[in-house]
Amino acid sequence: DAKTTQPTSMDCAEGRAANLPCNHSTISGNEYVYWYRQIHSQGPQYIIHGLKNNETNEMASLIITEDRKSSTLILPHATLRDTAVYYCIVRVFNAGNNRKLIWGLGTSLAVNP
Amino acid sequence: GAGVSQSPSNKVTEKGKDVELRCDPISGHTALYWYRQSLGQGLEFLIYFQGNSAPDKSGLPSDRFSAERTGGSVSTLTIQRTQQEDSAVYLCASSLDRGSNEQFFGPGTRLTVL
Repeated sequence: DAKTTQPTSMDCAEGRAANLPCNHSTISGNEYVYWYRQIHSQGPQYIIHGLKNNETNEMASLIITEDRKSSTLILPHATLRDTAVYYCIVRVFNAGNNRKLIWGLGTSLAVNP
Repeated sequence: GAGVSQSPSNKVTEKGKDVELRCDPISGHTALYWYRQSLGQGLEFLIYFQGNSAPDKSGLPSDRFSAERTGGSVSTLTIQRTQQEDSAVYLCASSLDRGSNEQFFGPGTRLTVL
């Protein structure tokens, strides 16, 4: 499984966009990038995933570089409730494999008023 | 609808005792995962169940750990002869099937071994 590297912590002002980077330089061609977040004392929550195209949903946008070696999760208008640890995960999408996700330490995002 | 539930929410036990942790997945979800999370760490995969297939036990740290899933629904994670290093939050997740991209997590069970 490809390894991901994320900054340990980040700060963001409420109402501003939060841009969370992730490096995955050893990613393989069939490996997807997943993002989850974990609010304090809760289970993780799925945010978004992508392979090579940029993706957007109601929670966030995912920008993947053309060489797929890095990506950025964008929360367009961060709120205090977005304060959480954000995990960038790379996992093979293969119908023959299970979906065990290999988790790193994530980025602790603090949204400040 | 109801999400993934886990019980108990907290468990304090003495070293050497056995513990059982329970997970009720979302109804209709065929895939079920167990993870554990030590303080300040990311999640560590333990075991995966998919329908009637043999479970993937590759993440279980020792033979003191076992899990079963009865009737394709409820799952129990059992830790025998608990050690202090077993102290962690144990998280259960379910997904619709193996091809699903989203795993739905329960709130976890915080296990403390004294």
